[in-house]
Amino acid sequence: DAKTTQPPSMDCAEGRAANLPCNHSTISGNEYVYWYRQIHSQGPQYIIHGLKNNETNEMASLIITEDRKSSTLILPHATLRDTAVYYCIVRVASGTASKLTFGTGTRLQVTL
Amino acid sequence: GAVVSQHPSRVICKSGTSVKIECRSLDFQATTMFWYRQFPKKSLMLMATSNEGSKATYEQGVEKDKFLINHASLTLSTLTVTSAHPEDSSFYICSASRGGPLRGYTFGSGTRLTVV
Repeated sequence: DAKTTQPPSMDCAEGRAANLPCNHSTISGNEYVYWYRQIHSQGPQYIIHGLKNNETNEMASLIITEDRKSSTLILPHATLRDTAVYYCIVRVASGTASKLTFGTGTRLQVTL
Repeated sequence: GAVVSQHPSRVICKSGTSVKIECRSLDFQATTMFWYRQFPKKSLMLMATSNEGSKATYEQGVEKDKFLINHASLTLSTLTVTSAHPEDSSFYICSASRGGPLRGYTFGSGTRLTVV
């Protein structure tokens, strides 16, 4: 699976949009971009995933560049509860379940 | 939907004893489950992949005789830390897949193991 690079930490004011970048310059054509987050002392939580089109769900939006070498997770109105470590993961969507490899992630701190 | 229950959430055991951690998929059948461990302020590290009805596949450097994995049914996988030592103290997390290429993975809430 392709390696991802994320900034180690970011701050965001409550109510503002949080934009979390991820570089995956070696991504292959059949690899998807997944985002998970982990709130302190809990298991990771799935947020969103995409292949090449932008995606939006009730939690966030995912913007993938045209060359697919980078993406941005957008939390439109961050709250204190969004404070967590956010992981960007790239993996092949094969016919059977394949493992998720976690990088170091971005620690997002939402402040008042 | 897609709930994974992990038990216990916390356990303290004496050095040399064994501890079993359970991971259950409550509302779906999990053909594959994964076990991770996480040290403080570090990322999750995959330990092994557990497939129902077959032997687990361990990642390089993970001792299969120390970390016994059993996936006897489509809804239950167990991780047993045998002869635990203080260095095995960690946060253990399981995840389950419903199969299929695009389905997300659901994670348990984790087990905090402390070996004293």
